[in-house]
Amino acid sequence: SQKIEQNSEALNIQEGKTATLTCNYTNYSPAYLQWYRQDPGRGPVFLLLIRENEKEKRKERLKVTFDTTLKQSLFHITASQPADSATYLCALPRDNYGQNFVFGPGTRLSVLP
Amino acid sequence: EPEVTQTPSHQVTQMGQEVILRCVPISNHLYFYWYRQILGQKVEFLVSFYNNEISEKSEIFDDQFSVERPDGSNFTLKIRSTKLEDSAMYFCASSAGQGSDQPQHFGDGTRLSIL
Repeated sequence: SQKIEQNSEALNIQEGKTATLTCNYTNYSPAYLQWYRQDPGRGPVFLLLIRENEKEKRKERLKVTFDTTLKQSLFHITASQPADSATYLCALPRDNYGQNFVFGPGTRLSVLP
Repeated sequence: EPEVTQTPSHQVTQMGQEVILRCVPISNHLYFYWYRQILGQKVEFLVSFYNNEISEKSEIFDDQFSVERPDGSNFTLKIRSTKLEDSAMYFCASSAGQGSDQPQHFGDGTRLSIL
């Protein structure tokens, strides 16, 4: 099954800067990858999905890239705000059949005012 | 915006007792899921459910677990004889379509504490 690593447990950045979070996977390259946000005591909230034939996807201040050669996805938040503070999870198909997915351990982002 | 609702928000149960966690998925969704998250750990897939049957389950979902859609709106997870290690947040999710390219919509979970 797929193994996922996310760059660090915690990332602190200054308000207004760009946050960059990393998701690396080790086995087969998935056809798509999803990013979720999770606030303390809440369920994950879907943010973006990117397909293997899409190099980049944007939604407002969010940008996701997907490099199947490096087996890596980068998640960027530009002009970060304290309200962006949360844990960000990447999710990939559990296996080649792609019916369900597995979450990475997450990166806890803190945006400091 | 429609949302997934879960009850109760917190359940405290004695070890060995049965517990039922309840979920109301988004009304026009056809695919349903349960996940768990042990404190400080990652969100783990338990089971997916479609057309009144399990479509996939993980190695965590052993014989102690069962799922049911008893009516047109509820989706339940039953743990038959709880163990201390079942203490976790349990999340229900639903999606409109099947496959890992479909966004899943999560409830805010039930915190299960086994004493």
